[in-house]
Amino acid sequence: QVHLVQSGAEVKKPGASVKVSCKASGYSFTSYYMHWVRQAPGQGLEWMGWISPNTGGTHYIQKFQGRVTMTRDTSISTIYMELSRLTSDDTAIYYCVRDTDYWGQGTLVTVSS
Amino acid sequence: QLVATQSPSASASLGASVKLTCTLSSGHNSYVIAWHQQQPERGPRYLMKVNSDGTYSKGDGIPDRFSGSRSGAERYLTISSLQSEDEADYYCQTWASGIWVFGGGTKLTVL
Repeated sequence: QVHLVQSGAEVKKPGASVKVSCKASGYSFTSYYMHWVRQAPGQGLEWMGWISPNTGGTHYIQKFQGRVTMTRDTSISTIYMELSRLTSDDTAIYYCVRDTDYWGQGTLVTVSS
Repeated sequence: QLVATQSPSASASLGASVKLTCTLSSGHNSYVIAWHQQQPERGPRYLMKVNSDGTYSKGDGIPDRFSGSRSGAERYLTISSLQSEDEADYYCQTWASGIWVFGGGTKLTVL
């Protein structure tokens, strides 16, 4: 059974960075691209980019380029999303998604002074 | 540019059926889409993919009441025998060349 378990909620000050993890189990970790999607309070879903767990290759949407870094550790079947220079607009729930068909439970990131 | 458009809201009565629509932008009639459900205060859950030929494949544990179809650039999610727990936001999602696009979501109210 596929499971994606994300790290816990974070509270950060403006200008800081946050790193969210997503641990996969129940399938071959390197066989599926992984995506990050975020959802601001009361808003829709916003795709951020993907990482290939096999090669480590990444693609970020232009909005986040220079601020986001997606990495993976194949030894523990985990991907990471680090977002820097946080502002209040980054307050959102961040989800990892396997290809299209499995979602993590989400990680709330709150940016507040 | 690939765009997926959804009506912001829909409503139907308990026990009835409802058909939600996702419209793909011009020139993208053949694209596959996915439907996701987000119940209140919960994360999204994958429901199904709807292929360009109108066939669909559902995720694990998705009830038979949920089905998909298409007509031209439109992709549909039909929910029959509506239950109270079907009240949720429904998002369509499509992709091209590794780029994901989400529709704005449809808020379904079960009356």
